[in-house]
Amino acid sequence: GAVVSQHPSWVICKSGTSVKIECRSLDFQATTMFWYRQFPKQSLMLMATSNEGSKATYEQGVEKDKFLINHASLTLSTLTVTSAHPEDSSFYICSARVSGGLTEAFFGQGTRLTVV
Amino acid sequence: GQNIDQPTEMTATEGAIVQINCTYQTSGFNGLFWYQQHAGEAPTFLSYNVLDGLEEKGRFSSFLSRSKGYSYLLLKELQMKDSASYLCAVRGTNSGGYQKVTFGTGTKLQVIP
Repeated sequence: GAVVSQHPSWVICKSGTSVKIECRSLDFQATTMFWYRQFPKQSLMLMATSNEGSKATYEQGVEKDKFLINHASLTLSTLTVTSAHPEDSSFYICSARVSGGLTEAFFGQGTRLTVV
Repeated sequence: GQNIDQPTEMTATEGAIVQINCTYQTSGFNGLFWYQQHAGEAPTFLSYNVLDGLEEKGRFSSFLSRSKGYSYLLLKELQMKDSASYLCAVRGTNSGGYQKVTFGTGTKLQVIP
């Protein structure tokens, strides 16, 4: 199946700093990527939908100025958590849809962010 | 909006069969997914149903009834490694008019010897 690589797997940062997370589709082109957040023992919550070459679509309640998404190419989307705070500590996961496909079935490995 | 309901936890015996149910409400239904997620890891795709009926893939099968807003994931010949959370996810149309996949809270399955 298609491979999605997410980097880093985990990161610890100080409060007030910014963290960038990368999501790459390794063997396919992904016009659409999705960013999720998952708190312990909770479900995946969609944060935003990232479309190549255009602005991301954010879900209600997600601050677009805090969670910057860039989808500059068909194989790379980035999520930058700006001015991170301890409450942003979570598991962030991306998924990618194969161009022309019906499903966004392929997830990255996830990034465990801890803000101290 | 979209609403998905599945049991929080289940326990089953190694070698047995277990059925995990999922009920949903959504507008513009366009597919139901099942994922497996081990603790601390990203979800792994298991199945996708968009038409009524049973889809079989090895030890795993998934069933969908669109009229009842109901699906189940059937796991046969359970193995210890099947202990994980199983997420039901539905693609539908949200209030903004665009398609979105919503995840259930997941069913934590524990397989015991």
